[in-house]
Amino acid sequence: QQKVQQSPESLSVPEGGMASLNCTSSDRNFQYFWWYRQHSGEGPKALMSIFSDGDKKEGRFTAHLNKASLHVSLHIRDSQPSDSALYFCAASEPNNNAPRFGAGTKLSVKP
Amino acid sequence: GALVYQYPRRTICKSGTSMRMECQAVGFQATSVAWYRQSPQKTFELIALSTVNSAIKYEQNFTQEKFPISHPNLSFSSMTVLNAYLEDRGLYLCGAREQNYAEQFFGPGTRLTVL
Repeated sequence: QQKVQQSPESLSVPEGGMASLNCTSSDRNFQYFWWYRQHSGEGPKALMSIFSDGDKKEGRFTAHLNKASLHVSLHIRDSQPSDSALYFCAASEPNNNAPRFGAGTKLSVKP
Repeated sequence: GALVYQYPRRTICKSGTSMRMECQAVGFQATSVAWYRQSPQKTFELIALSTVNSAIKYEQNFTQEKFPISHPNLSFSSMTVLNAYLEDRGLYLCGAREQNYAEQFFGPGTRLTVL
């Protein structure tokens, strides 16, 4: 069973709209979360990490973590066509174990 | 700042041959290094976690006999794909972390094509 689940599998939003991506862990020990973005043919690039309950905002990107429900979301405000990519959520225990990745959400932003 | 480099960025090998890839951490001490594989159209599967002064921990479906890893110091790790076949193609990612720090830093990956 995969320990990190992402939804939706794919998402299409109009340019300027809000994109909301979800991630849940089935392992209660997973307390640290990351969001990565991967454009076609490239390696993943770190968007943001979130380790504490609540919101973390970086520019147009806001992550929200609820440790009690092991749920983290990523909201992209004013979506641009260049935001079209695969978005991966990763989670790990708060020790030196390696993060586990979810299956990804494919985001398409239509001009 | 903390960076992770991977070499080579792309490589091609013939079926049945082996290929070594490297991971270098700059700006922090890579106490633990995790290697992942992203097969075409898939997510990143954890291959193994290497922690300095500890045994390397391989995930189910991955073995030391197939993916030997070296982690000789706090800035360098390498992994070899032995006897590569078509199912081994993909993007191999290295992620490094310093002990007692939460942040994990990833390299850009080594893309392996098997002919």
